[in-house]
Amino acid sequence: SQTIHQWPATLVQPVGSPLSLECTVEGTSNPNLYWYRQAAGRGLQLLFYSVGIGQISSEVPQNLSASRPQDRQFILSSKKLLLSDSGFYLCAWGPRLAGVGEQYFGPGTRLTVT
Amino acid sequence: AQSVAQPEDQVNVAEGNPLTVKCTYSVSGNPYLFWYVQYPNRGLQFLLKYITGDNLVKGSYGFEAEFNKSQTSFHLKKPSALVSDSALYFCAVKALPGAGSYQLTFGKGTKLSVIP
Repeated sequence: SQTIHQWPATLVQPVGSPLSLECTVEGTSNPNLYWYRQAAGRGLQLLFYSVGIGQISSEVPQNLSASRPQDRQFILSSKKLLLSDSGFYLCAWGPRLAGVGEQYFGPGTRLTVT
Repeated sequence: AQSVAQPEDQVNVAEGNPLTVKCTYSVSGNPYLFWYVQYPNRGLQFLLKYITGDNLVKGSYGFEAEFNKSQTSFHLKKPSALVSDSALYFCAVKALPGAGSYQLTFGKGTKLSVIP
């Protein structure tokens, strides 16, 4: 069965510090990968998605970036965090070839920028 | 462009009563529709999906959803609510293969509170 991991689970960082959140998927190959941000426990904002190694699509211009160095690894980064970057960050994967679009989510990372 | 509306921010229901969480959608062509549940400080969990076929779809934890093409709705239902069903519920839609086919469009979420 497939499993998706995210770490760290919680993170408190000062404004201006760098960020690196990691997501890995097990039990599948060639997944679509997604980063979402959820503010105030409500709606989801799609930040980035990737359909393959090195292929990143950005949905929202911001000071965040994403990378996919390996097939099942997705990293969210920032060089300098802003207060507005606080939120709950969710990674998700979806089957590329046989799926009908469903996505499966990781446990999330709670980021607080102080 | 596709969109999803969850008209109720919050739904309160007594334990043991039936529950309904509403969802309407707008998409060109036939939709793929999904429901997810999120417990506090957790990721979203997949509940069920509608692709084609029977309009009544059964999912996890006793939930079901009814697809109504004429009303462009996909309401989530459960015959008897449990306190443990209290959570945030998201409806999502994906258009058929084509532009944006890698993405889901999510509603804003409905908070369900089941009162003992």
